[in-house]
Amino acid sequence: DSGVTQTPKHLITATGQRVTLRCSPRSGDLSVYWYQQSLDQGLQFLIQYYNGEERAKGNILERFSAQQFPDLHSELNLSSLELGDSALYFCASSGGTGYGYTFGSGTRLTVV
Amino acid sequence: GESVGLHLPTLSVQEGDNSIINCAYSNSASDYFIWYKQESGKGPQFIIDIRSNMDKRQGQRVTVLLNKTVKHLSLQIAATQPGDSAVYFCAENPNYNQGGKLIFGQGTELSVKP
Repeated sequence: DSGVTQTPKHLITATGQRVTLRCSPRSGDLSVYWYQQSLDQGLQFLIQYYNGEERAKGNILERFSAQQFPDLHSELNLSSLELGDSALYFCASSGGTGYGYTFGSGTRLTVV
Repeated sequence: GESVGLHLPTLSVQEGDNSIINCAYSNSASDYFIWYKQESGKGPQFIIDIRSNMDKRQGQRVTVLLNKTVKHLSLQIAATQPGDSAVYFCAENPNYNQGGKLIFGQGTELSVKP
């Protein structure tokens, strides 16, 4: 157990729908990162939050959004889902610097 | 664009042999590098890391070598075991002090034959 908790583990939904993925970081970690892993793109950085504030943004689609709450858990919202959004979504956390960057076990999203 | 690439997409070794997985990175400003192991259906698992002020770091059965001159990383696994079979990713962090994103390579699949 890495200490980073992601729910749900699996999600199947229809095109056009909206889903929310949840992440609880390791105890004490202030930074949360979201990554998308698809077969043709590898692991791609989406967004980082640090202590509730957005700190860095990657190739995140406008249909996707995220936030980090006061208790430091984070949610990734995916809307108007398309077939191509099917992927593994990973959350990672760290203390603020890059040291100790730890991943959760991921949410497998299938859009049908 | 930014990229971290792997020289060998697949590697097959005999149990007990040493494995070497290579990686090239493109951002000369990167100052922190990590190797991850990912087993099927699981998240990337930290193996070993190295800062840019070092050229070698050893862990348990694993060694990471960093050559900043040619922007090259390698992961050496000693006495490879069947449990080492997985996909291995190198990742670079160009902004370590701010946390920041990791840039991942495409991965090398290591297959260990008993």
